[in-house]
Amino acid sequence: SQTIHQWPATLVQPVGSPLSLECTVEGTSNPNLYWYRQAAGRGLQLLFYSVGIGQISSEVPQNLSASRPQDRQFILSSKKLLLSDSGFYLCATTGTGFVYGYTFGSGTRLTVV
Amino acid sequence: AQSVSQHNHHVILSEAASLELGCNYSYGGTVNLFWYVQYPGQHLQLLLKYFSGDPLVKGIKGFEAEFIKSKFSFNLRKPSVQWSDTAEYFCAVMLAAGNKLTFGGGTRVLVKP
Repeated sequence: SQTIHQWPATLVQPVGSPLSLECTVEGTSNPNLYWYRQAAGRGLQLLFYSVGIGQISSEVPQNLSASRPQDRQFILSSKKLLLSDSGFYLCATTGTGFVYGYTFGSGTRLTVV
Repeated sequence: AQSVSQHNHHVILSEAASLELGCNYSYGGTVNLFWYVQYPGQHLQLLLKYFSGDPLVKGIKGFEAEFIKSKFSFNLRKPSVQWSDTAEYFCAVMLAAGNKLTFGGGTRVLVKP
């Protein structure tokens, strides 16, 4: 079965600092990968998704970017964090199919101060 | 644009009460439907899903949901809740031909013992 590793679990960063969140997937190959953000009091918002190495689709224009340097690695980045970037970031994968929906990582709680 | 609406943001009820959470979506095509649950401090977990066939689907922990195509709805139900059902519940929709999961805003359910 597929598993997702996300780190770090918690992060406190000052405004204007860079960000790099990493997500790796095991137990599958050529997965679809997703970054979601869950802001306080709001639902899950799709930020980026990738169907293959180097292929990134952005859902919401913002201060963040994503990259997929390897098949099972998905990175969320920012050059300069804003206060509004605070939230809970979740990586997800559908593996090679959607039969079981998504598998989610444990998430990263980001607080920008 | 496609969207998913969950009518209640917060629900408070007592143990043994019945629970129904509403979910409506706005999509023109064939959809796959999901309910996810996030228990305090835990990952998002799949409760149940609907792809085709019987519109009444049963999931884990005694939950069920009914797909009513004419109403674009996929409401979640449980006849008798327990304190352990305290969690946030998310409805999600994916176009059958798509690869992106769109979530509703979530409903926080608090079950009082």
